[in-house]
Amino acid sequence: QKEVEQDPGPLSVPEGAIVSLNCTYSNSAFQYFMWYRQYSRKGPELLMYTYSSGNKEDGRFTAQVDKSSKYISLFIRDSQPSDSATYLCAMSRGNNRLAFGKGNQVVVIP
Amino acid sequence: GAVVSQHPSRVICKSGTSVKIECRSLDFQATTMFWYRQFPKQSLMLMATSNEGSKATYEQGVEKDKFLINHASLTLSTLTVTSAHPEDSSFYICSARERGFYGYTFGSGTRLTVV
Repeated sequence: QKEVEQDPGPLSVPEGAIVSLNCTYSNSAFQYFMWYRQYSRKGPELLMYTYSSGNKEDGRFTAQVDKSSKYISLFIRDSQPSDSATYLCAMSRGNNRLAFGKGNQVVVIP
Repeated sequence: GAVVSQHPSRVICKSGTSVKIECRSLDFQATTMFWYRQFPKQSLMLMATSNEGSKATYEQGVEKDKFLINHASLTLSTLTVTSAHPEDSSFYICSARERGFYGYTFGSGTRLTVV
């Protein structure tokens, strides 16, 4: 079983819809959870960073962490064409290693 | 927020030559920097972890003599691809971690093409 599972299937949504992404993980030692956005031919950009369980909101983005279920989510409200990108979940135990999901390609259709 | 600058963004080199990629943390000190390789439509593959003033730690299967990493200061790490071959063509990305924070910041990446 991989440490982090993220269904890599592409996701197409109409503009204005809510985008829902999620990852599951197997290592209960993970404490720090991140979502990155990566545009084509660019490095990943940190979108959301959370420590332990709970919700965090930043503008149109909401990150949720449920450590009991080993499940994290990212919601994008009022999606825009500029949100079209690949979204990667990542997590860390607090050492110098990041475990990544495979990434979800999101396309927001105008 | 934290910014990591990576140069060059794109480089084409001839087979057998060496290429150096620079990674700088602009507004924070990065005791640890990381180098990744990314293939098309795939996630990032960690190549090595570099700590300022000490030798880099390479992941299994990554050739130390081909991918030379130097972390000479708290704000600069370099990756040199030596005797490059077409199979080394890839997207290389660095990242850095600020002390006490586990949200790693990534550079913009370098697309290397070896012809």
